[in-house]
Amino acid sequence: DTEVTQTPKHLVMGMTNKKSLKCEQHMGHRAMYWYKQKAKKPPELMFVYSYEKLSINESVPSRFSPECPNSSLLNLHLHALQPEDSALYLCASSQVGIGGYEQYFGPGTRLTVT
Amino acid sequence: TQLLEQSPQFLSIQEGENLTVYCNSSSVFSSLQWYRQEPGEGPVLLVTVVTGGEVKKLKRLTFQFGDARKDSSLHITAAQPGDTGLYLCAGVDGGNNAGNMLTFGGGTRLMVKP
Repeated sequence: DTEVTQTPKHLVMGMTNKKSLKCEQHMGHRAMYWYKQKAKKPPELMFVYSYEKLSINESVPSRFSPECPNSSLLNLHLHALQPEDSALYLCASSQVGIGGYEQYFGPGTRLTVT
Repeated sequence: TQLLEQSPQFLSIQEGENLTVYCNSSSVFSSLQWYRQEPGEGPVLLVTVVTGGEVKKLKRLTFQFGDARKDSSLHITAAQPGDTGLYLCAGVDGGNNAGNMLTFGGGTRLMVKP
């Protein structure tokens, strides 16, 4: 099973709202990733968690707050977003360590900020 | 900073034609992954190439990793409308305990017309 699930599939929120995106995998992967993807562009890395600890933050604004409650779950908490934050948010997971381990992506959450 | 240049950016062809997508870099990657992404969905992993000079086939798709592991190509034979999508190459820099970072190419948007 190489499935990564994400909820919700679509989200519309106002600039004063607080919402969360959820991601889950049961492949035993110990690295999980959040990406942001704008239309017709490749995914841009936001955060990496390795062994449930934040290992990489690609200078993402604090209105995005990641959380990794356990080895299978990854959340992205959203607060006071701007319209330019509208995008497809992708979660991915992989094994950890030296080597060419593949990343497996979820279907994404289409976020619209009004 | 590692960069991957992908070409062409956009390709529109008739069903039955052949095509090749290129992914080039001045950097060496430990492996390279190819993904296909349909609108509103997450990227789906097609193949990983690891060894310089490696060739992998997936039905009508042929993937090649350059001898120096700096470039890769994807060749599609007798394209079908179901091949339509965004093709992404992504290089892995080796990986470590912080995760396996992907460097994405800019993507090739393929449209196969019936």
